[in-house]
Amino acid sequence: DIQMTQSPSSLSASVGDRVTITCRASQIISNYLNWYEQKPGKAPKLLIYAASSLQSGVPSRFSGSGSGTDFTLTIATLQPEDFATYYCQQSYSSPYTFGQGTKLEIK
Amino acid sequence: QVQLVESGGGVVQPGRSLRLSCAASGFTFSTYAMHWVRQAPGKGLEWVAVISHDGNSKYYADSVKGRFTFSRDNSKNTLSLQMNSLRAEDTAVYFCARDRSTVATFSLEYWGQGTLVTVSS
Repeated sequence: DIQMTQSPSSLSASVGDRVTITCRASQIISNYLNWYEQKPGKAPKLLIYAASSLQSGVPSRFSGSGSGTDFTLTIATLQPEDFATYYCQQSYSSPYTFGQGTKLEIK
Repeated sequence: QVQLVESGGGVVQPGRSLRLSCAASGFTFSTYAMHWVRQAPGKGLEWVAVISHDGNSKYYADSVKGRFTFSRDNSKNTLSLQMNSLRAEDTAVYFCARDRSTVATFSLEYWGQGTLVTVSS
C-alpha cells in the first residue's frame, strides 16, 4: 500500500500569510495526487486534483504542485475561511490512501 | 444539483452487522464510480472502498476486506455497504462520495453529509 505523509501535522498562521503544506508518497505516484479541505462537522471538499488542477469554484489563492513522490499545497494569501484541516490523497492505486491531515489554525 | 444522502448508521454490538445506504440524485448515477470514506471520531480520513460505474469492479481497504461488501443498484440510484463482523475500530462517520469524472479518476468531488456508525457493547 502507498503511504502518504503530510507535514506539518499542524500549523499556526495569520490572515494574509502564505502557507505551504507538503505531502510525500512512499512510492512514485506520478501526478495522481488530490487535496481536500475539511471544516469541523462537514464533509471534505475537493480543492486540487491531478496535483495541480484547480477544482471548479475553488479560489485561485489555492495552488498545487509536484510530481513523483513530493507534492505541495500552497495558499497564497490566507483568508479567515481557510482555517481548516487539509488532506492529501493518492489516486494512483488502490487503496486510495489519505495523508494524516494538516490542521491550519489561527495564530 | 448533485445530492448524496447516507442512511443506516447507528449503534451496533461488536461482531454484528449493519447495512449503510447512499441515495444519489442530480446526476447520471450509472456513469460514475462511487466511494465510501470513513472518519473515526477526532481522526483523519480513511478510504474504505470503490465500486465501478457498472458494479463489476470493487476494491477495498485492507482493514475492511472480507468483512464489508459494496454494491450498487443503478436502477434505483443507490449504494449499499454491507458491514459484517463489526469491530470497535469500525466506529466512524461513513461518507459516500462520487468520483470527479465519468472516467474514473479516484478523486472525490461530491460527498454526502455522512452517517455515524458506533460499534459498542
